[in-house]
Amino acid sequence: AQSVAQPEDQVNVAEGNPLTVKCTYSVSGNPYLFWYVQYPNRGLQFLLKYITGDNLVKGSYGFEAEFNKSQTSFHLKKPSALVSDSALYFCAVRDGDGGFKTIFGAGTRLFVKA
Amino acid sequence: GAGVSQSPSNKVTEKGKDVELRCDPISGHTALYWYRQSLGQGLEFLIYFQGNSAPDKSGLPSDRFSAERTGGSVSTLTIQRTQQEDSAVYLCASSTRDRVYSGGDEKLFFGSGTQLSVL
Repeated sequence: AQSVAQPEDQVNVAEGNPLTVKCTYSVSGNPYLFWYVQYPNRGLQFLLKYITGDNLVKGSYGFEAEFNKSQTSFHLKKPSALVSDSALYFCAVRDGDGGFKTIFGAGTRLFVKA
Repeated sequence: GAGVSQSPSNKVTEKGKDVELRCDPISGHTALYWYRQSLGQGLEFLIYFQGNSAPDKSGLPSDRFSAERTGGSVSTLTIQRTQQEDSAVYLCASSTRDRVYSGGDEKLFFGSGTQLSVL
């Protein structure tokens, strides 16, 4: 069975500063990893994914994430935060070696202050 | 339509009543998921449909919950004898993947959800 942990309920960062939203996962096979974002009053949107290849994955809106197999982590990062990045961020995992169930973490609320 | 469509957007019901929630996936998407998002909680997996395969029902919280997908397209999530703890946003998502190593897009496209309130 797979699982995802997002250890921080909330992350606060000042505009222009780098941001990190943490995610660790557990899966028996090869991990397929995803980040989604939920803006206020809007649906969930895909940000980026890691399936295979380079450990550093770049996605929408200047976000990137680094896959670290030894630490079973897939932290979301952005070099310079914007106020408009304030939203709820979800990490998700699927077992790439079988099954199609995609499991989401509890979410981390990001607040970017001007 | 261009995206995943869910109806109704809001549903208020009395405890003990049955409700049906509908999801129209993106045309051509073979995979369809239902999730539940409770206040302050993450997305709880409920059920997954993939083509003609048997659905993965492992996330359904009780036998009051059931789901169907007719003709490989529209899906209906039914909650019987609703309870107050069923109050949540029910999200549907679809994706293009059709086999484990399809090389498909993998990402999920979500609908706007149905806000269910059980009084």
